[in-house]
Amino acid sequence: QVHLVQSGAEVKKPGASVKVSCKASGYTFTTYGLSWVRQAPGQGLEWMGWISPYNSNTKYAQKFQGRVTMTTDTSTSTAYMELRSLTSDDTAVYYCARVGGYDAYFDYWGQGTLVTVSS
Amino acid sequence: DIQMTQSPSSLSASVGDRVTITCQASQDIGNYLNWYQQKPGKAPKVLIYDASNLERGVPSRFSGSGSGTDFTFTINSLQPEDIATYFCQQYDNLVFTFGPGTKVDIK
Repeated sequence: QVHLVQSGAEVKKPGASVKVSCKASGYTFTTYGLSWVRQAPGQGLEWMGWISPYNSNTKYAQKFQGRVTMTTDTSTSTAYMELRSLTSDDTAVYYCARVGGYDAYFDYWGQGTLVTVSS
Repeated sequence: DIQMTQSPSSLSASVGDRVTITCQASQDIGNYLNWYQQKPGKAPKVLIYDASNLERGVPSRFSGSGSGTDFTFTINSLQPEDIATYFCQQYDNLVFTFGPGTKVDIK
């Protein structure tokens, strides 16, 4: 069965960077895209971007362009999301999600990683 | 970018009631619309994809309809385990946008 397992909670200072990992299992890693979605406390879902593990093509939400980098390591079936220049507004749970249905919807999700930005 | 609106933002209904949530896109998205359920502290779960297709394993009391800019999500016969927040989500050329969500609870 498909599993996406994310790295643990992080606490960062304003201005720092964070890198969250997402290890996939139960399917061929390179055949599905992956997205990152975040959710601030008590708020809705915000799509951050998409990456193809097959060819490392990326598409980032305009809001995060220049501040986010998504990568994958096919040797370990792991995806990474790095967000730089953190502010308190970046405090959120960050999810990775497999993009199924011909890059149409998020069919499997990681358990989420809480990133807290605080001085 | 395509914007999504949802209504209502919250609702209370009785067990067994029919619940309807609407989602509107700022431009024509065809049937590129999905619905998710999120329970507190959990990751979202897809229920409906491509506007009206029930994801495998999802109970048949959930359904979706619509195309273009206007979409509807329905729970026939609300159950206690359906207490959650529901989000619509559109996709267009690898850009994804979520609606703001509808919180459903039991009256």
